[in-house]
Amino acid sequence: DAKTTQPNSMESNEEEPVHLPCNHSTISGTDYIHWYRQLPSQGPEYVIHGLTSNVNNRMASLAIAEDRKSSTLILHRATLRDAAVYYCIPLEEAGGSYIPTFGRGTSLIVHP
Amino acid sequence: EPEVTQTPSHQVTQMGQEVILRCVPISNHLYFYWYRQILGQKVEFLVSFYNNEISEKSEIFDDQFSVERPDGSNFTLKIRSTKLEDSAMYFCASRSSLAGVGELFFGEGSRLTVL
Repeated sequence: DAKTTQPNSMESNEEEPVHLPCNHSTISGTDYIHWYRQLPSQGPEYVIHGLTSNVNNRMASLAIAEDRKSSTLILHRATLRDAAVYYCIPLEEAGGSYIPTFGRGTSLIVHP
Repeated sequence: EPEVTQTPSHQVTQMGQEVILRCVPISNHLYFYWYRQILGQKVEFLVSFYNNEISEKSEIFDDQFSVERPDGSNFTLKIRSTKLEDSAMYFCASRSSLAGVGELFFGEGSRLTVL
């Protein structure tokens, strides 16, 4: 599995954009970059994934570096409900072992 | 929106007792998982299950653990003789086979407290 590095914590103010970085320099060419988050006292929740191109969905945007060694999850307008631990997980396409492995992630604190 | 449901939400048991944690995955999903999270620690993979058999398991998933899909809807995790260190949140997850890169849908977890 590719090793990832994320800041332990980040802070934001409500309604401001948040950029959550992840380094995954050992990622393989077939690994998709997934992001999950875990709200307090809840199970993990899928956020977004991508391979090479930047991706957008209703929850967030994912910006992937051209060399794929890093990515950034972008929350365009943070809300209090976005306070959670965010996990960056490189994962090969299903067909082989498809087991998300959670690290420590980044704990996002959102101030009102 | 379909969801994974888990019961019980919290179970307290004595050391050495058997515990069964239940999960109802999303109805058209075919891949099932159990994870656990000890308080303050990472979410850890236990086991994955497909086509009525274990696909993969971690070192944590020793002979004290077993999984079963007894009736085509429930997916259970059994701990035969609980230890103090089994105290944790246990999360069930399921995934559809339709997508090549499919997200896992997690339940809200079952908190197990072993006294």
